[in-house]
Amino acid sequence: GESVGLHLPTLSVQEGDNSIINCAYSNSASDYFIWYKQESGKGPQFIIDIRSNMDKRQGQRVTVLLNKTVKHLSLQIAATQPGDSAVYFCAENIGGNNNDMRFGAGTRLTVKP
Amino acid sequence: DVKVTQSSRYLVKRTGEKVFLECVQDMDHENMFWYRQDPGLGLRLIYFSYDVKMKEKGDIPEGYSVSREKKERFSLILESASTNQTSMYLCASSFRRGGTGELFFGEGSRLTVL
Repeated sequence: GESVGLHLPTLSVQEGDNSIINCAYSNSASDYFIWYKQESGKGPQFIIDIRSNMDKRQGQRVTVLLNKTVKHLSLQIAATQPGDSAVYFCAENIGGNNNDMRFGAGTRLTVKP
Repeated sequence: DVKVTQSSRYLVKRTGEKVFLECVQDMDHENMFWYRQDPGLGLRLIYFSYDVKMKEKGDIPEGYSVSREKKERFSLILESASTNQTSMYLCASSFRRGGTGELFFGEGSRLTVL
């Protein structure tokens, strides 16, 4: 989930299990959301996005769920693999042009073999 | 392949020095962004630009300035570096119209100010 202060939330899962990473966003008017994955020493990379007129979107092994009522976003990773170990960020578009994104604090996912 | 290149991966500077962080993208994107990343605080937007010679303040512009003289290049400038500017700096770009809104990031520049 979201962090408070300087502590990065962590999630540790066993290889092969499903992972759920949560995010609370701030702006009820946000209409576009992206999940990014950041591996150690690299910049964030796009995983999946969702618009506010949807409540679920699926990709390859990943699913994003959007609950606008409580301003909550989640990322589900099926059959988690060691290569999924990274920091995951949610980002919301707070502007009107798809290009003014604000990021959550991130969650560190560790996959145990 | 999409590429955003940041000129320096690691820099060490002294308090009061002027610091330039350079970013180049090869995707003909209109938008470019500078973020700083600190543990537990995520990515915070410093400045962004929608076009050449245009710039807009983000959430934490104090102590920074930017320059966009060419479409492909966006520079972040610390006029007088301070220790609280020690951080990871990430440059990103995106299409302004059309596209998914996805940001393409560079590998980051880790700055230490002593």
